Amino acid sequence: DAKTTQPPSMDCAEGRAANLPCNHSTISGNEYVYWYRQIHSQGPQYIIHGLKNNETNEMASLIITEDRKSSTLILPHATLRDTAVYYCIVRGSHFSSGSARQLTFGSGTQLTVLP
Amino acid sequence: EAGVTQFPSHSVIEKGQTVTLRCDPISGHDNLYWYRRVMGKEIKFLLHFVKESKQDESGMPNNRFLAERTGGTYSTLKVQPAELEDSGVYFCASSQVNRAGYTFGSGTRLTVV
Repeated sequence: DAKTTQPPSMDCAEGRAANLPCNHSTISGNEYVYWYRQIHSQGPQYIIHGLKNNETNEMASLIITEDRKSSTLILPHATLRDTAVYYCIVRGSHFSSGSARQLTFGSGTQLTVLP
Repeated sequence: EAGVTQFPSHSVIEKGQTVTLRCDPISGHDNLYWYRRVMGKEIKFLLHFVKESKQDESGMPNNRFLAERTGGTYSTLKVQPAELEDSGVYFCASSQVNRAGYTFGSGTRLTVV
């Protein structure tokens, strides 16, 4: 079962920041937070991941609370092409083996970017 | 670089027939994964290869499913005999050793009628 909780849907105005929340209150110390998204009819796309520090790449920023029980994915300037289902996933390190490497997808958040 | 390629993109077969799905990972990616989404459900893990070895096949639903990765390059997923509940989208993903993010293919949509 997925170990994360996300709102089922969110809207965001084009050009504004999209802030997608995720609760993962049972995360263990060696588990990472990963974000993927799935644009309609495509395969999931990796966005970003983090352990405890905030992370930023060319796609997004990831803010993880100090207690690591929740996080927020930030798309700084959402475009229409960012409309997708966003998945927050808790997983073991990519150095781990066995089931710790599996991605457990939940229902995700359907983000709709409005013109 | 070329992405993860899956073939065919769509397949419609009758119940009881056999279907083989193929995945070509990104060149140099030793890790290869299969996932699937059956109708109305969430995306679920099927199995994981490192090169030609199966590292984790805990998600394979039953013995009608057989995955291979001969030579550690492309992989095939055979369903024999196919059942109605096997309908869904089958995704393949690959990654380099010790890299965090996977690259997924666009999937194969399998319809069993």
